[in-house]
Amino acid sequence: NAGVMQNPRHLVRRRGQEARLRCSPMKGHSHVYWYRQLPEEGLKFMVYLQKENIIDESGMPKERFSAEFPKEGPSILRIQQVVRGDSAAYFCASSPDPKGGYTFGSGTRLTVV
Amino acid sequence: QQQVKQSPQSLIVQKGGIPIINCAYENTAFDYFPWYQQFPGKGPALLIAIRPDVSEKKEGRFTISFNKSAKQFSLHIMDSQPGDSATYFCAATGAGSYQLTFGKGTKLSVIP
Repeated sequence: NAGVMQNPRHLVRRRGQEARLRCSPMKGHSHVYWYRQLPEEGLKFMVYLQKENIIDESGMPKERFSAEFPKEGPSILRIQQVVRGDSAAYFCASSPDPKGGYTFGSGTRLTVV
Repeated sequence: QQQVKQSPQSLIVQKGGIPIINCAYENTAFDYFPWYQQFPGKGPALLIAIRPDVSEKKEGRFTISFNKSAKQFSLHIMDSQPGDSATYFCAATGAGSYQLTFGKGTKLSVIP
C-alpha cells in the first residue's frame, strides 16, 4: 500500500501563474481532505471531497482556489493567479470513512516568487 | 479564533527526559483528540489519540493525559530519544465532524 501520494513535492510559481497540486488517496479510501500549513502554524482545513462531489469547502478562500476529485484520477487542488501569500505546504489526507482516521501525504511545498 | 492552544512552542530535553506538551481547547463539542508527529519534509503521522471518556491512554512510550473539566490534554514522552525530535501537533474534532482543528505545534529537540 503506497499511502497517500502527493505531487509534485515542491512547486515554484511566479506571481500570477496557476498551481496544480495532485493527490492520490490510499487504496480503498474515497474521502479526501486538503489542509494548508503556513510557516510556524498548524494545519488548517480547506476542503473535503468524495468522488465527484465537494462535501465541504468552508475552509477554501472564496477566490482563486478550487478543488476536484473526479471519478477517475487524483484529486486536484488548483490555485489560479498565485500570490506570495499562497506560499505554504499543502497536505492531502484520505480516509475510508468521514469519521477521522486520516492518513496524510507528504505534502506539496508551494513557493511563489 | 484559535480553538486549540498548544504550548510550549519549542522544547529541548536531554535523552531519557520526559517532555510534556500541553493543549487546551474551547469547543465542548470536541470528542476526539489525536496527536500527530511530523518530521521535516513529511506529512503529519497519527501518534496516539484519546476520547474524553478516559483520563489517560498509553501506547508504548507515549501517554496522553486528559482533563475534561479543565478542557486540557497533554502528551508525555517517556525515555525520550534523539529519534523523537520532531514537531508535535495536537488536534481536536467532534460532533460528527471530519474537520481536524490543529494546535500550532511544538518543535521538540532531544539532545544526546
